[in-house]
Amino acid sequence: QVQLVQSGAEVKKPGASVKVSCKASGYTFISYLIHWVRQAPGQGPEWMGNINPKDYSTTYAQKLQGRVSMTRDTSTSTVYMELSSLRSDDTAVYYCAREMVRTYYFDHWGQGTLVSVSS
Amino acid sequence: QSVLTQPPSASGTPGQKVPISCSGSSSNIGSNTVNWYQQLPGTAPKLLIYSNNQRPSGVPDRFSGSKSGTSASLAISGLQSEDEADYYCAVWDDRLHVYVFGTGTKVTVL
Repeated sequence: QVQLVQSGAEVKKPGASVKVSCKASGYTFISYLIHWVRQAPGQGPEWMGNINPKDYSTTYAQKLQGRVSMTRDTSTSTVYMELSSLRSDDTAVYYCAREMVRTYYFDHWGQGTLVSVSS
Repeated sequence: QSVLTQPPSASGTPGQKVPISCSGSSSNIGSNTVNWYQQLPGTAPKLLIYSNNQRPSGVPDRFSGSKSGTSASLAISGLQSEDEADYYCAVWDDRLHVYVFGTGTKVTVL
């Protein structure tokens, strides 16, 4: 069965960086985009960007340009999302989700990773 | 502030029909297909409706979606207690170049 398993919760100080992993299994890794979506406490989901594991291309939300980086390791079917210069308003649950290319919907999601930013 | 507007709450008694609206613009709903996600407390969102009105395997047929112009709707027929959740519409926005989620609607079963 399709699974997206994310790394565990993180606590970071303002200005630091965090790297969250998303390990895929149960399907052909390079056939689906991986998106990252975050959800701040009590708020709706916010799309951060995506990576195409096949050709390594990325698309990032403009508001996060320069602070976010998405990478992949095809040998382990794992995608990584790194967010730098963390601020308190980056505190959120971060989800990875997969999309079959050009379908524009996310059919499987990871369990979520809580990232807390506090001094 | 999301570019997709939903009512903050909706409610009904078991068995009732509950509609949820999602209002957008020509650059998002007017140009692309709409998806709906259900989020139970403390869990990841789950795909409920894709491509305006398609149900993934395993989603009960009491959930249905539609789209007209720059608005979309989700309907829950035969409301059940396990339908208590937050519901979000979502679509790609051609002008903003982002995937946008609606403001969310919390459904309560009375």
